[in-house]
Amino acid sequence: KAGVTQTPRYLIKTRGQQVTLSCSPISGHRSVSWYQQTPGQGLQFLFEYFSETQRNKGNFPGRFSGRQFSNSRSEMNVSTLELGDSALYLCASRLDRADTEAFFGQGTRLTVV
Amino acid sequence: AQKITQTQPGMFVQEKEAVTLDCTYDTSDPSYGLFWYKQPSSGEMIFLIYQGSYDQQNATEGRYSLNFQKARKSANLVISASQLGDSAMYFCAMRGPDSNYQLIWGAGTKLIIKP
Repeated sequence: KAGVTQTPRYLIKTRGQQVTLSCSPISGHRSVSWYQQTPGQGLQFLFEYFSETQRNKGNFPGRFSGRQFSNSRSEMNVSTLELGDSALYLCASRLDRADTEAFFGQGTRLTVV
Repeated sequence: AQKITQTQPGMFVQEKEAVTLDCTYDTSDPSYGLFWYKQPSSGEMIFLIYQGSYDQQNATEGRYSLNFQKARKSANLVISASQLGDSAMYFCAMRGPDSNYQLIWGAGTKLIIKP
C-alpha cells in the first residue's frame, strides 16, 4: 500500500513568485491536512480538506490557499512568496476526519530566495 | 486554547538505555487525543503512539510506551532499549475540539543515541 506522496521534494523560488505543492494521500483516505514547519515557529496547521471541501483553516494569510480533487489529491498554493515562507510543508492523510492516526508524507522543502 | 510543552530541546542517551521524553499539555476539553511522532532527518513524520483522554491504560506500541498522568496533564514518551536508529526529533501533539481536531504541536526534542 503506497504511503503519502508529496511532490516536489525540494523547491527553490524567488520572492514574489508563486508555488504549487502536491499531496497524494493514501488510497481510500479522504482527509488531507497541511502543516508548515519552520525553525522559528515550529509546526503550524495550514488547512484541512475533506471531500473536496476546506473544513478548517489555520491562521495564515490569504496568500496560502489549497484545494482537493475528487480523487482526494490535494494541492496547496502560495502566491507572492516571501522569504519567511521558506519551510518544510507537510501533508497528512487520514481515512476520515474522526480517525486518530494521521500519516505524513516526506514533505516539500521550499526555499525562497 | 490548547498548548503542548516539551521542555527538553535535546537529549543524549547511551545506546540500549531507556529514555523518557517529557510532554505536558494544557486544554479545557474533557475529550482529546495525545500523539507522539518521530521525525528523522529525512523530514517525514512517523506516528509512534496515541493516547485518548478517556483511555484507562497507558498506550504501548512495541518499544514505545506513553506514561499518561491525566491529573498532571503529562504524556511522557518512554523508549525502552534505545537504538542508534532512534536518533531523531520527537514531537508531542494534541488534538481536540478546541483545535477543531487539528494537531497542535510541541517544539520537539532532539534525541541523539550514542554508541
